[in-house]
Amino acid sequence: DTGVSQNPRHKITKRGQNVTFRCDPISEHNRLYWYRQTLGQGPEFLTYFQNEAQLEKSRLLSDRFSAERPKGSFSTLEIQRTEQGDSAMYLCASSLLHPGTSGGARETQYFGPGTRLLVL
Amino acid sequence: GEDVEQSLFLSVREGDSSVINCTYTDSSSTYLYWYKQEPGAGLQLLTYIFSNMDMKQDQRLTVLLNKKDKHLSLRIADTQTGDSAIYFCAEKSNYQLIWGAGTKLIIKP
Repeated sequence: DTGVSQNPRHKITKRGQNVTFRCDPISEHNRLYWYRQTLGQGPEFLTYFQNEAQLEKSRLLSDRFSAERPKGSFSTLEIQRTEQGDSAMYLCASSLLHPGTSGGARETQYFGPGTRLLVL
Repeated sequence: GEDVEQSLFLSVREGDSSVINCTYTDSSSTYLYWYKQEPGAGLQLLTYIFSNMDMKQDQRLTVLLNKKDKHLSLRIADTQTGDSAIYFCAEKSNYQLIWGAGTKLIIKP
């Protein structure tokens, strides 16, 4: 198992362009999370999936952001009409939550290296 | 609301112990985590503690939890230059992790 991978590692784009990032979780992990991290801050939750279902989206996530996990394996995060304020590190994490356990169950999230986005 | 607070910097001499502190506000948190982030690298899980425990030791790492005061600490014994990083505490609140802003650990020779 090679861990969580993310592509690309870096992306520079012009304001107004669309960008798409990919995350490949640890195989067999049923949960996948997207976070955004800016300099000097901890990660901010954006959205998460259990298998292919998107269960929660943060209020931070404007309608320019969309995420998918079509087959319950890899996920994509798309940002449309990028703005300079979207510049950040986008982190993906995956975890295995056993069926029948509650939200209080131990669930260790393993993170990928991130995609650093710069919007000019 | 939920908020996790940490000091932004900690400076220690090589070989000394480092103690990184964290306070949280959600009393229903079940698990609390410490992650390490080195420059240009992803977040690496260091250790975690369940909320019904008050201490957990793992090699050079000791986690102390004071649930009454909602205070969490990470002690690193015999701090080495390779321990230079930003350390984040996070609390598990239902489905998501709530993060502190991170403490940058600086090692003096």
